[in-house]
Amino acid sequence: KQEVTQIPAALSVPEGENLVLNCSFTDSAIYNLQWFRQDPGKGLTSLLLIQSSQREQTSGRLNASLDKSSGRSTLYIAASQPGDSATYLCAVIIGSARQLTFGSGTQLTVLP
Amino acid sequence: GAVVSQHPSWVICKSGTSVKIECRSLDFQATTMFWYRQFPKQSLMLMATSNEGSKATYEQGVEKDKFLINHASLTLSTLTVTSAHPEDSSFYICSARDFGRTGSEQYFGPGTRLTVT
Repeated sequence: KQEVTQIPAALSVPEGENLVLNCSFTDSAIYNLQWFRQDPGKGLTSLLLIQSSQREQTSGRLNASLDKSSGRSTLYIAASQPGDSATYLCAVIIGSARQLTFGSGTQLTVLP
Repeated sequence: GAVVSQHPSWVICKSGTSVKIECRSLDFQATTMFWYRQFPKQSLMLMATSNEGSKATYEQGVEKDKFLINHASLTLSTLTVTSAHPEDSSFYICSARDFGRTGSEQYFGPGTRLTVT
């Protein structure tokens, strides 16, 4: 059974810092990997989707990498801002139905 | 494009009653819809996968007679929580995809907060 783990569970940084969120998964047979942002009491906002054949994707200050063979992905956030404060979830896409298996999330707080 | 809505956004019901949550794809036809449940400070757990016109596939541990899923059209899926109990209080989120258009990417609704008193 696929398991997705995110480290750290919580992170607090001062504004302006660059930071890295980690995601690992146990079964490398994935189709894609996706990073989401969730604000308190809200739904999910998709940040980046990495195809299994890709090694990274970039959007603005965000860069996500994927090492499928080692079962790892990282989300790099440059020049963090207080508005980046949220829970970040990674999910792997598996199976014929393209189901998502989510990690437990990293709760990020960026202090002004 | 690829917008998914949910209704209601929050609902409070009494123990023993049933509540229906709707999930709609607004600008695409969703061949597959997924229902997730999220307890406070926990991640999303997949409850079931539904394909239009066929029965839903439930994940292990999810009672299909308690969580009734209907995906009668390409733009609407409903989740009915029957005989709700306080332990069913949770945040329910749906997602939808049309493999022909969105590929494997799912688009998520804003979620429904259910509180059972």
